[in-house]
Amino acid sequence: GQQLNQSPQSMFIQEGEDVSMNCTSSSIFNTWLWYKQDPGEGPVLLIALYKAGELTSNGRLTAQFGITRKDSFLNISASIPSDVGIYFCAGHGRGDYQLIWGAGTKLIIKP
Amino acid sequence: ETGVTQSPTHLIKTRGQQVTLRCSSQSGHNTVSWYQQALGQGPQFIFQYYREEENGRGNFPPRFSGLQFPNYSSELNVNALELDDSALYLCASSGGTALKETQYFGPGTRLLVL
Repeated sequence: GQQLNQSPQSMFIQEGEDVSMNCTSSSIFNTWLWYKQDPGEGPVLLIALYKAGELTSNGRLTAQFGITRKDSFLNISASIPSDVGIYFCAGHGRGDYQLIWGAGTKLIIKP
Repeated sequence: ETGVTQSPTHLIKTRGQQVTLRCSSQSGHNTVSWYQQALGQGPQFIFQYYREEENGRGNFPPRFSGLQFPNYSSELNVNALELDDSALYLCASSGGTALKETQYFGPGTRLLVL
């Protein structure tokens, strides 16, 4: 079945640093979504992308739908302590109704 | 407007038993999707219900079944529990089945099978 490869698996950063993570697929995706999950909570949608090349921002977060339709990245600028959590990419493959998820990137902020 | 709620929050069962998990969708939403999230993994799609009918199913065996009620709340039933069924079970509600409909997730039910 379709799979998403998300990297890095985890990141240790200093407060104030910028963060970048990405997701790749071996097949074309029609949508790319980025979610954040905090401990004991369900995932919360951060950014949704529906068109190849689309670049969308949500506050300090920016995400792009790759032009090949096989990748997406998420950037976080000037990280703050509440950015800690697990970030997931997800998407719909061509002709697919089900949401496929990456394995997540765990963001840890060093004191 | 109330969010998505799930019950119970935690559950311990033994192998071979059956379990029912419940989900109340967000007000105004007619679509519920269920996911299984193993520790350290992303969610895996189980199935989706739209207006009381199953609308799609992931790669899960028939012992995973579901229901959606007229008020759009939903149940996930798992029969003959196996150790590998231990996971966080998430439900998400949305205003429809279109890809652009945002899915809003509940906090999940953590199931442990011993």
